[in-house]
Amino acid sequence: QVELVQSGSEVKKPGASVKVSCKASGYAFSTFAITWVRQAPGQGLECMGWTSAYTGNTHFAQKFQGRVSLTTETSTNTAYMELRSLRYDDTAVYYCARWGTSCSGSNCYIDVFDIWGQGTVVTVSS
Amino acid sequence: DIQMTQSPSSLSASVGDRVTITCRASQGISNDLAWFQQKPGKAPNRLIYTASTLQTGVPSRFSGSGSGTEFTLTISSLQAEDFATYYCLQHNTYPWTFGPGTKVEIK
Repeated sequence: QVELVQSGSEVKKPGASVKVSCKASGYAFSTFAITWVRQAPGQGLECMGWTSAYTGNTHFAQKFQGRVSLTTETSTNTAYMELRSLRYDDTAVYYCARWGTSCSGSNCYIDVFDIWGQGTVVTVSS
Repeated sequence: DIQMTQSPSSLSASVGDRVTITCRASQGISNDLAWFQQKPGKAPNRLIYTASTLQTGVPSRFSGSGSGTEFTLTISSLQAEDFATYYCLQHNTYPWTFGPGTKVEIK
């Protein structure tokens, strides 16, 4: 079955870095991009950026530029999100979700976030 | 950035009620909108994409409509398992942005 499985919970000190993995199975990894979405405790959902598993291209939300790296490893069908210089307000659940372009005849659309990882809790604490 | 608003922010309803949630975009986004349901401690689950297309496996009591700047999610007859938080997402313009959510609670 199609799924994204993320790495386990992390506890980090302020100023440290965290790297979260997202392993895909059940579909052709290179045909979709992966977006990273985070959710602070009791808050809503926020897109951090995405990476194409086919081209390696990336796009980041402005607030994360310079502090986040998004990569993919096609040999293992795994996407990674590394967040540096962690702050207390980076405490959140981090999700990966896939998206791609689907076409029916000449009608194409973005097939967005149909599959999500289970989430990784990142806690920043001294 | 495109700002997404949702109304109401929360609602109380009974099983069997018809529920409508509205999502508004700060500028036109065509039909580049999806709806998600999230239960506590779980990842979001897609209900609707391209504003009105029902995700395979999602009950037909869920429906979506709208285009441009105003969209609605309707639950025709609320069931016990529908008590959750609902989010809209625009994917027309980067950065893609979610609405703040609507929490549907038991009356």
